[in-house]
Amino acid sequence: SQELEQSPQSLIVQEGKNLTINCTSSKTLYGLYWYKQKYGEGLIFLMMLQKGGEEKSHEKITAKLDEKKQQSSLHITASQPSHAGIYLCGADMSMYSGGGADGLTFGKGTHLIIQP
Amino acid sequence: NAGVTQNPKFQVLKTGQSMTLQCAQDMNHNSMYWYRQDPGMGLRLIYYSASEGTTDKGEVPNGYNVSRLNKREFSLRLESAAPSQTSVYFCASSEWTGSVGDTQYFGPGTRLTVL
Repeated sequence: SQELEQSPQSLIVQEGKNLTINCTSSKTLYGLYWYKQKYGEGLIFLMMLQKGGEEKSHEKITAKLDEKKQQSSLHITASQPSHAGIYLCGADMSMYSGGGADGLTFGKGTHLIIQP
Repeated sequence: NAGVTQNPKFQVLKTGQSMTLQCAQDMNHNSMYWYRQDPGMGLRLIYYSASEGTTDKGEVPNGYNVSRLNKREFSLRLESAAPSQTSVYFCASSEWTGSVGDTQYFGPGTRLTVL
């Protein structure tokens, strides 16, 4: 079974609209990372959350980690064509590893398409 | 800083051929990783090296070997390529100070097709 579930799998949004992507686990997430991947390219680090209830923002993107540290959301406000791509959440599933010293567990990704 | 670099960017192999994927980082990071990305499967960890001189298996190590050549370089070898190894391979590195919160930085990927 997938330890990290991302939803939705794909999302088509009209330019200027807001959207939310979710990442959920049945286990505690000791570090939660959001990455963006443009088609055919590598992963670009967006944000990292560690503490329950933590929220971080960068430009029009806000990421939150719930109090139980089992769910994270990524919210994009007033979407733009530059936001299109694949959004991946990755997590430390062990409290004993840092930066996933034994690797991160990833969700399957959310494909975001922005319609003009 | 180039960050994490990977070579080659693209490769086509025939079944049974061998090859080595190269990865190097210039961030003085301790830990390095190899992942593969397949449609519908997300990224899965193949092998990792928590520090120079150590390597460990990840989720999907069968058919692969790795070498942590020095602190900068971590290579992935396919001894006898199989069509099931057709994938996009990503190398990553992190500082790993021993605490949660060390970010992994990724290379641009190697797109491998095995015929």
